[in-house]
Amino acid sequence: AQSVTQLGSHVSVSEGALVLLRCNYSSSVPPYLFWYVQYPNQGLQLLLKYTSAATLVKGINGFEAEFKKSETSFHLTKPSAHMSDAAEYFCAVSDPDDYKLSFGAGTTVTVRA
Amino acid sequence: NAGVTQTPKFQVLKTGQSMTLQCAQDMNHNSMYWYRQDPGMGLRLIYYSASEGTTDKGEVPNGYNVSRLNKREFSLRLESAAPSQTSVYFCASRGQPGLAGAFYGNEQFFGPGTRLTVL
Repeated sequence: AQSVTQLGSHVSVSEGALVLLRCNYSSSVPPYLFWYVQYPNQGLQLLLKYTSAATLVKGINGFEAEFKKSETSFHLTKPSAHMSDAAEYFCAVSDPDDYKLSFGAGTTVTVRA
Repeated sequence: NAGVTQTPKFQVLKTGQSMTLQCAQDMNHNSMYWYRQDPGMGLRLIYYSASEGTTDKGEVPNGYNVSRLNKREFSLRLESAAPSQTSVYFCASRGQPGLAGAFYGNEQFFGPGTRLTVL
């Protein structure tokens, strides 16, 4: 069974500052890992995914995440925050042979002008 | 392509009433899912259908039933709604394994959600 922990339910950053969202997972096998973004009153949209290829994964809107097996982490970063990055972000994990995803509780990002 | 569509977008029910949430996808995906989203709890899986003709319970199935009507459509039914079922409901779908046997990465594609209030 797999599980996900997102550290920090709320993150506030200034426009232009680094965005760092933390995600740690537990899995009995090498996992697939995902970051989704949810804008207000919308569904979830895939930002990026790790599926056992390159450990540094680039996604949409300038986001990237690094898979670190030794730390069981998959933290999401963006060098320079934009007002449009204000949203809720979810980390998710799946065993490769599993039909299901397990989601973290989510982190809400606010961006200050 | 519309992707994953859900109806209705909003619904208000009284305790004890029943209703069905509809979901359809036009991506020829094998697997479909129903989640509920509650503040601070992320998304929790209610039921899923790995392929047409099969359904399985997820993490929080009590009080719900599902029907995989065909490959495109997967409905969620509340037989007797309770205030604890007030939530936002999302449907999702996922494609099948690639020709080489490797999964496409298991990512799921989500609908816009149904906001349900039970009074």
